[in-house]
Amino acid sequence: KQEVTQIPAALSVPEGENLVLNCSFTDSAIYNLQWFRQDPGKGLTSLLLIQSSQREQTSGRLNASLDKSSGRSTLYIAASQPGDSATYLCAVMGGSWQGGKLIFGQGTELSVKP
Amino acid sequence: GAVVSQHPSWVICKSGTSVKIECRSLDFQATTMFWYRQFPKQSLMLMATSNEGSKATYEQGVEKDKFLINHASLTLSTLTVTSAHPEDSSFYICSARDEDSGSETQYFGPGTRLLVL
Repeated sequence: KQEVTQIPAALSVPEGENLVLNCSFTDSAIYNLQWFRQDPGKGLTSLLLIQSSQREQTSGRLNASLDKSSGRSTLYIAASQPGDSATYLCAVMGGSWQGGKLIFGQGTELSVKP
Repeated sequence: GAVVSQHPSWVICKSGTSVKIECRSLDFQATTMFWYRQFPKQSLMLMATSNEGSKATYEQGVEKDKFLINHASLTLSTLTVTSAHPEDSSFYICSARDEDSGSETQYFGPGTRLLVL
């Protein structure tokens, strides 16, 4: 059974710092891995999606890496801003033979202080 | 990009009543939609996979008779919480897969907050 773990559970940093969020998963047979952002009381915003054949994806100040063999992904946020404060969730998708289900980690609650 | 809507965005009801939540894909067709629930400070837990024209597939531990799912068209899935109790209070989020895009990307709705008194 696939399990997804995110460390740390919460993180507080001063504005301008670069930071790394970690995600690990137990079953390396994944189709893709996705990072989401969730603001309090809101739905999910997709940030980056990495296919199983890819090593990383970049979007603006965000960079996500994937090491499938070790079951790890990192989300790197450069030059953090107060507007980056949110909960960040990673989710892995098994193959279509598994119905395309997403298994989520518990999330990392990020607070960027001005 | 693809948009998924949910209605209502929040609902308060009395214990014992039933509540229906709608999930719509606005600009694409989705034969498959997913329903999740999220308790405060916790992650999303998949409840069921909604399949257009057939029965939903429920995850282990989710009561089929408690959470009725109907996927009557290619753009609409509904989740009905029957005989709601305070412990059903949660944030319910749906997602839809745009299969025509050739990608497995799921697009998420904004969520429905349910409070059962």
